[in-house]
Amino acid sequence: EAQVTQNPRYLITVTGKKLTVTCSQNMNHEYMSWYRQDPGLGLRQIYYSMNVEVTDKGDVPEGYKVSRKEKRNFPLILESPSPNQTSLYFCASSFSVGEPLRYFGPGTRLTVT
Amino acid sequence: AQTVTQSQPEMSVQEAETVTLSCTYDTSESDYYLFWYKQPPSRQMILVIRQEAYKQQNATENRFSVNFQKAAKSFSLKISDSQLGDAAMYFCAYRSGTLNQFYFGTGTSLTVIP
Repeated sequence: EAQVTQNPRYLITVTGKKLTVTCSQNMNHEYMSWYRQDPGLGLRQIYYSMNVEVTDKGDVPEGYKVSRKEKRNFPLILESPSPNQTSLYFCASSFSVGEPLRYFGPGTRLTVT
Repeated sequence: AQTVTQSQPEMSVQEAETVTLSCTYDTSESDYYLFWYKQPPSRQMILVIRQEAYKQQNATENRFSVNFQKAAKSFSLKISDSQLGDAAMYFCAYRSGTLNQFYFGTGTSLTVIP
């Protein structure tokens, strides 16, 4: 089954404790991206990747890092989480940047206390 | 950065009736793509419909259609014969044809009344 998986689905952590949210797709997609969803703000793009070893900043990259060492994986790293990073996070992928974003992960609910 | 505006935080519609969700966007580009996404309570994001800016014809997908007014930078979604399963948050989204970023609106919460 074609899908994008994210782990963990829920995470409660404390300020400053490094964490990684994993994202993996099984469709050989080139384009992958991360979003955060906040009430009243919709979804905002954090980072995106056109292909392996090619990443770029989205609209709200501050406080986040990503890497794309393999085509299927695109982890989101918060090296020193802060309470303002409490949010719902989505990973999404498409075959290429020219294709619409059709595949989203199930979301990761992150709470930073 | 491009902006996408959804001015209706909440909408409601009677089952079997038609509802239109509004979206406007701001861009100086001529090449871009527009989308509507549905997010039901499960939080899963579902692509509903897409529109290429270079196409004059409005996109249609079954009961969903758009009214794309390029000069007015307006992209509304019409849902015909509304069903209970249409109840969800709907997001309008923009993607540049030259850059690789997506911009989403703030969403419209649609309630379907039986």
